[in-house]
Amino acid sequence: AQSVTQLGSHVSVSEGALVLLRCNYSSSVPPYLFWYVQYPNQGLQLLLKYTSAATLVKGINGFEAEFKKSETSFHLTKPSAHMSDAAEYFCAASGYSTLTFGKGTMLLVSP
Amino acid sequence: DAGVIQSPRHEVTEMGQEVTLRCKPISGHDYLFWYRQTMMRGLELLIYFNNNVPIDDSGMPEDRFSAKMPNASFSTLKIQPSEPRDSAVYFCASSQASAYNEQFFGPGTRLTVL
Repeated sequence: AQSVTQLGSHVSVSEGALVLLRCNYSSSVPPYLFWYVQYPNQGLQLLLKYTSAATLVKGINGFEAEFKKSETSFHLTKPSAHMSDAAEYFCAASGYSTLTFGKGTMLLVSP
Repeated sequence: DAGVIQSPRHEVTEMGQEVTLRCKPISGHDYLFWYRQTMMRGLELLIYFNNNVPIDDSGMPEDRFSAKMPNASFSTLKIQPSEPRDSAVYFCASSQASAYNEQFFGPGTRLTVL
């Protein structure tokens, strides 16, 4: 069965610092990959997606992720954190007709 | 498009009562998913439908939970009788098979069972 692993349930950064959220998937066939963001008391919103076109994917709010097949990874980065980036981030991989989600990483941004 | 619509947004009920959560998916989407989110267990897939037909309900916790999709624009998740441990945020999501399985989530229903 496919699985998605997000390293670190909580990540803390200072405003202006680099954001790096890690995601690894387990699949013999590279799936479609997604990053979703959940702000407090809201549903999940799509940040970006990898659909086998380009390995470096740019999303909303300055986020980007790079697909690395050799490392089965799809890490999310942002050069400079903003207070408004504080939220929970979920990595997901497509299955036959569903998505397998990681357990989520809470991003904490301090001034 | 208005996105996925869920109602109610908040529900407070007493143990033993019946609870019905409602979802309207995005028009044209052929998959509908029900999730539950709690601090302890995270995001759990309960059941999903394809073209109004339930495909996998293995995530439904017990017989107290049931879900229906009578037509392409409406689905319900019912809990009867409700218990305090059912307190959670319930999300509905929809997707289109031809769009990489990207799911669009509703705002959720926060259920509190006293």
